[in-house]
Amino acid sequence: NAGVMQNPRHLVRRRGQEARLRCSPMKGHSHVYWYRQLPEEGLKFMVYLQKENIIDESGMPKERFSAEFPKEGPSILRIQQVVRGDSAAYFCASSHDVDRVGTEAFFGQGTRLTVV
Amino acid sequence: AQSVTQLDSQVPVFEEAPVELRCNYSSSVSVYLFWYVQYPNQGLQLLLKYLSGSTLVKGINGFEAEFNKSQTSFHLRKPSVHISDTAEYFCAVSFTGGFKTIFGAGTRLFVKA
Repeated sequence: NAGVMQNPRHLVRRRGQEARLRCSPMKGHSHVYWYRQLPEEGLKFMVYLQKENIIDESGMPKERFSAEFPKEGPSILRIQQVVRGDSAAYFCASSHDVDRVGTEAFFGQGTRLTVV
Repeated sequence: AQSVTQLDSQVPVFEEAPVELRCNYSSSVSVYLFWYVQYPNQGLQLLLKYLSGSTLVKGINGFEAEFNKSQTSFHLRKPSVHISDTAEYFCAVSFTGGFKTIFGAGTRLFVKA
């Protein structure tokens, strides 16, 4: 049973380019969360998605960032016109049923984005 | 509003010594508490979690944590650390199991020979 798969593991983009980060949740999981980890900081919640729906995007920057989780295929975090401040590790997590007490979120290994 | 504070950003310790990583939280409602470990260039792995019941929670790799409601703390302990425990440890709080978990800034545990 494969875990949460994120790709690419490392991504280098020039300022102004677009970055696309992919996350395939664990088999049977329909809830996906994205977190950002800036250097020397903890994880910051960005967005929570279910299949074809954005449930909570309160942690997403208002501009340039978007996320989707289509019916088929992985969840995508898209960053348009990247800037140096976007350089960070982006983690995806998935869970089976968010309403059950004690539901654990399983994390991918992250995508490390470097903007040059 | 919920928040999590990890009081130490770095904790150096010698191998086989005991260690305590401190975590305090603030919340006006009941919470669920977690400790995660992140090894270099890896994702986060759950060490242990407190949902209800016994305030002493045992996790993987010999770690345990104690929930103290009056002090709003959830400190992580291990009686004897190994070199392989060198990693970053995150305390986290959530209303439910996995949704919108709020993380502390992390504590880097560095175990020396």
